[in-house]
Amino acid sequence: GAVVSQHPSRVICKSGTSVKIECRSLDFQATTMFWYRQFPKQSLMLMATSNEGSKATYEQGVEKDKFLINHASLTLSTLTVTSAHPEDSSFYICSARARTGLNYGYTFGSGTRLTVV
Amino acid sequence: DAKTTQPNSMESNEEEPVHLPCNHSTISGTDYIHWYRQLPSQGPEYVIHGLTSNVNNRMASLAIAEDRKSSTLILHRATLRDAAVYYCILSRGTGNQFYFGTGTSLTVIP
Repeated sequence: GAVVSQHPSRVICKSGTSVKIECRSLDFQATTMFWYRQFPKQSLMLMATSNEGSKATYEQGVEKDKFLINHASLTLSTLTVTSAHPEDSSFYICSARARTGLNYGYTFGSGTRLTVV
Repeated sequence: DAKTTQPNSMESNEEEPVHLPCNHSTISGTDYIHWYRQLPSQGPEYVIHGLTSNVNNRMASLAIAEDRKSSTLILHRATLRDAAVYYCILSRGTGNQFYFGTGTSLTVIP
């Protein structure tokens, strides 16, 4: 089945630094990937839709200059949290849309726990 | 986007069937109904999806009301490993974004 690998699984960074999170589709090509953020005991919140070779589409209220998304190939999308602050500490999850037979499914990565100190 | 409503939490005894309801009264004709589940500190895992007809797979069954305004995820025999938050999500056509609701936290009692 379709597998999405997310790296790193955990990262601790100092306030003011930038952190890059990678999302790879291992056995399929993903023209569209999605990035979510999840705070403790809350649901997933869609941040942006990442399309290969074009600019990402951000959800309302998500700062595109703070959360830089690059989808340069059909198997890799990256999310860079720039000038991170403690309030950016969260669980970040990516997902990719994969074709399975006649249907499309959504496969999620295992998430990245970001802690900003 | 059409919204879904689920109970915040449910409990089930181990090895008994579980029926997880979801209301989606504003569903449109092209909206697919998806169910995912999430274990703590993990990404969501696909469970099942459907459009109009009931669906079965090795994990669960999906019963969709005739008017499509509600659906029920059925776990035939709950195990401790089924304890998770279950999300019912609508997506329009294929390839559209998922907007997660609050989900149902399922507790399985040994």
